[in-house]
Amino acid sequence: EPEVTQTPSHQVTQMGQEVILRCVPISNHLYFYWYRQILGQKVEFLVSFYNNEISEKSEIFDDQFSVERPDGSNFTLKIRSTKLEDSAMYFCASSETTWNNEQFFGPGTRLTVL
Amino acid sequence: AQTVTQSQPEMSVQEAETVTLSCTYDTSESDYYLFWYKQPPSRQMILVIRQEAYKQQNATENRFSVNFQKAAKSFSLKISDSQLGDAAMYFCAYRRKMSGGSQGNLIFGKGTKLSVKP
Repeated sequence: EPEVTQTPSHQVTQMGQEVILRCVPISNHLYFYWYRQILGQKVEFLVSFYNNEISEKSEIFDDQFSVERPDGSNFTLKIRSTKLEDSAMYFCASSETTWNNEQFFGPGTRLTVL
Repeated sequence: AQTVTQSQPEMSVQEAETVTLSCTYDTSESDYYLFWYKQPPSRQMILVIRQEAYKQQNATENRFSVNFQKAAKSFSLKISDSQLGDAAMYFCAYRRKMSGGSQGNLIFGKGTKLSVKP
């Protein structure tokens, strides 16, 4: 069964460093999402992406964040200058061709900022 | 803004018994989707069950069923004949029903950690 994959599973970085989190959505999916979950808190929406541009973004998704689909398969989340409060689990999700289809989630990347 | 509340941080159930996880939400919209996602330890979230708000009939998927009370804005998940593999974090989520133009992001509750005792 096709699934969303994410790499790395755990990333440790120093405050102020740039990180890129990678996701490979399900191959025929066209809508892509990033969510994050700070330990002990809710899963929060960051951004959605369709047709090579951002569709929606939350207040969390400020200028330090960017997303890209550099090729036909990868979907990346970049954090330019990490802060301690960026430490969280980051989930990628994708959905199929229509607006209201189920979102399939990846296993997440745990980001630890020291 | 829409919110989702799960008031039970942790629940426990005996194997083969039934357990109900609570979820309430707040919205001013009349049509939307509600979901229950399961997240086993160190694994991705998987969809357990989905309910469309305009459908009065409660959704069921094998041992999983919901009690959807639209007026009360309540959406509880019932797991019957609980199995050890049901042990996981369960998230309730809300999504607007989109007519086009933008995608519907999920709004999650904080989750309920379910333990299943053998």
